Amino acid sequence: QQPVQSPQAVILREGEDAVINCSSSKALYSVHWYRQKHGEAPVFLMILLKGGEQKGHDKISASFNEKKQQSSLYLTASQLSYSGTYFCGTALKTSYDKVIFGPGTSLSVIP
Amino acid sequence: DTEVTQTPKHLVMGMTNKKSLKCEQHMGHRAMYWYKQKAKKPPELMFVYSYEKLSINESVPSRFSPECPNSSLLNLHLHALQPEDSALYLCASSQVVNQPQHFGDGTRLSIL
Repeated sequence: QQPVQSPQAVILREGEDAVINCSSSKALYSVHWYRQKHGEAPVFLMILLKGGEQKGHDKISASFNEKKQQSSLYLTASQLSYSGTYFCGTALKTSYDKVIFGPGTSLSVIP
Repeated sequence: DTEVTQTPKHLVMGMTNKKSLKCEQHMGHRAMYWYKQKAKKPPELMFVYSYEKLSINESVPSRFSPECPNSSLLNLHLHALQPEDSALYLCASSQVVNQPQHFGDGTRLSIL
């Protein structure tokens, strides 16, 4: 039940935008997004609990399409500090207490 | 500064040793988690404790034994580990399950 993420990796220049997608083959209860920098612990970005919900802070936002069992993370006007690996974590409606992480998307922002 | 503290930061042990990993949080969280993470892979869920009771065991081998002595502490007891168990072990906590998780810095475990 691991979610699928795309792309696997992306390289951006500062100021460019990126979208990371996360999808599941099963009905989702929630989607979580985390960023992990090299050698550090994962850091929580946001959680989406309702279909259609969009959340964001600063220039990072996310949407959740419950019908399609998909979520997307939007990074606008990227900064060097956005570099890292982005993981989506999904909890199924049948086991909402278990969050399983996708394989990750490596994002590199270059000057 | 991390609000979830894990000790030790590094651990090297032989396959016949017994050791324990410790995790502590003082945020009043009632859900705590153990994850295993290999290089360039996502954190892999091992155990979930909810209100000090084990609620999820992801078919983890019995050589890993979790313990939650109180709402602030989580231990992972290790015995007779294999070389493939070498990894970063992350502890996390959240207010309750399915809420934002706060991760510790992890214990890097090497099995000789």
